Amino acid sequence: ILNVEQSPQSLHVQEGDSTNFTCSFPSSNFYALHWYRWETAKSPEALFVMTLNGDEKKKGRISATLNTKEGYSYLYIKGSQPEDSATYLCASASGAGSYQLTFGKGTKLSVIP
Amino acid sequence: KAGVTQTPRYLIKTRGQQVTLSCSPISGHRSVSWYQQTPGQGLQFLFEYFSETQRNKGNFPGRFSGRQFSNSRSEMNVSTLELGDSALYLCASSPIMGMNTEAFFGQGTRLTVV
Repeated sequence: ILNVEQSPQSLHVQEGDSTNFTCSFPSSNFYALHWYRWETAKSPEALFVMTLNGDEKKKGRISATLNTKEGYSYLYIKGSQPEDSATYLCASASGAGSYQLTFGKGTKLSVIP
Repeated sequence: KAGVTQTPRYLIKTRGQQVTLSCSPISGHRSVSWYQQTPGQGLQFLFEYFSETQRNKGNFPGRFSGRQFSNSRSEMNVSTLELGDSALYLCASSPIMGMNTEAFFGQGTRLTVV
């Protein structure tokens, strides 16, 4: 995998449903994996930064896992709420000497009340 | 603590003109990165500055340039504008050198080239 890929591109869920998204990234020379939430008309906001294989992080109803050996990360949202509606971006950084993030195109989540 | 401030928020320019966008990072942050988002594309990395030095540059033509001042404020310049330069330009700041810390984004400058 040369680029960062996210799936699905978009999804609609009912309020209260749990959901998850996938981020695939180059596993070679891995340094860090970022997740951001981007609400319409606002700035992207950091959710998690993960660096170690097997990392699991949680913030409220949102959690993320990281597998650096196979190059993927999952983002989970438990009990989705309308305010979770946003585009979720992941980005990878390769190599400690790299100062850039490579972003996926995002997963657009719509939570239906 | 004030967030990342980008000015202007919206801009309309004509093909062939040049434009300068400004980014003021969070106080104390020394790293500033710039990204471009066009419809259907993810955020594309333009360049990153730390302590007035450009450390990384993305795959963009030489018409795109930037700089960082001693107070960490950054500007990016696009010369000889093309229609395809119409995009949302985001800047992000972070306090330290590496990418193992979160980036704080501004709200962006929406550039329209006509």
